[in-house]
Amino acid sequence: SQQGEEDPQALSIQEGENATMNCSYKTSINNLQWYRQNSGRGLVHLILIRSNEREKHSGRLRVTLDTSKKSSSLLITASRAADTASYFCATDFLSGAGSYQLTFGKGTKLSVIP
Amino acid sequence: DSGVTQTPKHLITATGQRVTLRCSPRSGDLSVYWYQQSLDQGLQFLIQYYNGEERAKGNILERFSAQQFPDLHSELNLSSLELGDSALYFCASSGPDRGGTGELFFGEGSRLTVL
Repeated sequence: SQQGEEDPQALSIQEGENATMNCSYKTSINNLQWYRQNSGRGLVHLILIRSNEREKHSGRLRVTLDTSKKSSSLLITASRAADTASYFCATDFLSGAGSYQLTFGKGTKLSVIP
Repeated sequence: DSGVTQTPKHLITATGQRVTLRCSPRSGDLSVYWYQQSLDQGLQFLIQYYNGEERAKGNILERFSAQQFPDLHSELNLSSLELGDSALYFCASSGPDRGGTGELFFGEGSRLTVL
């Protein structure tokens, strides 16, 4: 099934550094979303970027979307220990039943070392 | 707090048994989604309901079933449980937009352990 794929699977950085995570997907999308999950908790929506947008900012987050390459990146600037979590990209696609499904990649596990 | 409530938070049961997971969506949300998260498979979409009707089906096993009631809460029934069904089961809800997939609001999940 359609699924985004994050890269790298794991990332370890020092506090204050920037963290960049990438997502690739397979078919055309309406929008792409990024979510965050603290260990064993529910996912929390971070940002949504539509297929006709190229870049979006929200606080320390910057998301880019390149539909020609079917890829997106999430940049977290000036990282903090509290940013330690798993980050997932989610893409929607039109299923055979005529409705949209939101599918998630397996995530990037980010560790920010104080 | 996302506003989505899931019960129970933890559940331990034996193979062959049946369990029911419950989800109350955010006030006003009409869509409910169920996802299964396991270490090897990641987050897998199971099923979506919109205002009581099934809207989309993903990788849901025949042993699993779900429904959304008139008050919009949803239940996921898992039967003939196997060890491999051990996972975190998430419910999510979204607003009244019928067609697209906007932001999802996730509950804290129900952790199922099958022994």
